[in-house]
Amino acid sequence: GAVVSQHPSWVICKSGTSVKIECRSLDFQATTMFWYRQFPKQSLMLMATSNEGSKATYEQGVEKDKFLINHASLTLSTLTVTSAHPEDSSFYICSARPGQGAPETQYFGPGTRLLVL
Amino acid sequence: AQTVTQSQPEMSVQEAETVTLSCTYDTSENNYYLFWYKQPPSRQMILVIRQEAYKQQNATENRFSVNFQKAAKSFSLKISDSQLGDTAMYFCAFRFGRGSQGNLIFGKGTKLSVKP
Repeated sequence: GAVVSQHPSWVICKSGTSVKIECRSLDFQATTMFWYRQFPKQSLMLMATSNEGSKATYEQGVEKDKFLINHASLTLSTLTVTSAHPEDSSFYICSARPGQGAPETQYFGPGTRLLVL
Repeated sequence: AQTVTQSQPEMSVQEAETVTLSCTYDTSENNYYLFWYKQPPSRQMILVIRQEAYKQQNATENRFSVNFQKAAKSFSLKISDSQLGDTAMYFCAFRFGRGSQGNLIFGKGTKLSVKP
């Protein structure tokens, strides 16, 4: 099956620093990638959608300058949390959709736990 | 606007028995996709099963099957011969659009506990 990896799996950082999370589709090319945020015991909240080579589309209420998304290639997307603060602590999940095969299906990475002190 | 409703926040089932998780959705679209995802304690989202709205036949994947009622906008998941490893949060999701268009809309989830 389609595999999506995420790195790092968890990160602890100091308030004010920036954190980069990588998302890779390992065995397929992802024309579209998604970033979600999940709070404890809640559902996934879509933050942004990105297509390779173009700017990300952010959901309402998500700060573009705070959460920088780069979809540099068909297998890699990165999320950078800039000047992180404790309220940014959360579980971040990326997802990728294949360009061929089963383009209607999204495959998810294992998630990244971010703790900002 | 599209919405997905899972009315059962928590459910439990005895090992080897059958359980059904409910999901309803609201849309004016005619062509769309429905999914059930599982999120075990590891928090890795795993695709369980998917259904294309244009297909009348209910999707099945081993012990997992759906009851898709398009007119009623209902999409329930049946897990047969429940196993301890089925313990997880289950999210129903809806997507319309083709190709790169359209986003997944998730329900709030149902926490399933399988008891030995």
